[in-house]
Amino acid sequence: GAGVSQSPSNKVTEKGKDVELRCDPISGHTALYWYRQSLGQGLEFLIYFQGNSAPDKSGLPSDRFSAERTGGSVSTLTIQRTQQEDSAVYLCASSLARGQTGQPQHFGDGTRLSIL
Amino acid sequence: AQRVTQPEKLLSVFKGAPVELKCNYSYSGSPELFWYVQYSRQRLQLLLRHISRESIKGFTADLNKGETSFHLKKPFAQEEDSAMYYCALRWNFGNEKLTFGTGTRLTIIP
Repeated sequence: GAGVSQSPSNKVTEKGKDVELRCDPISGHTALYWYRQSLGQGLEFLIYFQGNSAPDKSGLPSDRFSAERTGGSVSTLTIQRTQQEDSAVYLCASSLARGQTGQPQHFGDGTRLSIL
Repeated sequence: AQRVTQPEKLLSVFKGAPVELKCNYSYSGSPELFWYVQYSRQRLQLLLRHISRESIKGFTADLNKGETSFHLKKPFAQEEDSAMYYCALRWNFGNEKLTFGTGTRLTIIP
């Protein structure tokens, strides 16, 4: 497809369960980002990938959160032992190579995660 | 640390009136500034970026380094401008993450 694709679009799960969120970036985009948007909050950075490596994981809120990227393409964000405060919209974005100033990030539709 | 401030959570403007959405930032280096927009039931999308010095859908934004501002302006509001607007900052080199403001919901009154 032409844009960033995220799945699932909605996820409802019970507290304590693990969840996996998937992001398929735009073809050719080597940079990939995960953000979180909680109710009433702005977008909060979680992690950034350049290729398969993650030079910036500074936004991951706890060790329950992890992410990986394989083949320089698809990324998964995993939340273990989910808590109610994890409820949010998780957004993925991709962009062209690092170091090219002015390259915008293109966003997916997000995954709305609800923890019961 | 860099920070982006959008002082108005909500802004209502009559159709045909001028619009100004405020954005201030704190960062000691040379930032890249962006405006993103999210229309109802659509994904977040880039509106414009300071480096391009462009006008998109009648909107412009000028980076004022002295005032550390990047306000978004349009001389005549249209109903289709109703949306959520986010100002965002990125370091010029190195760290690629975007730091977003909390957003301003713009409503155009017919």
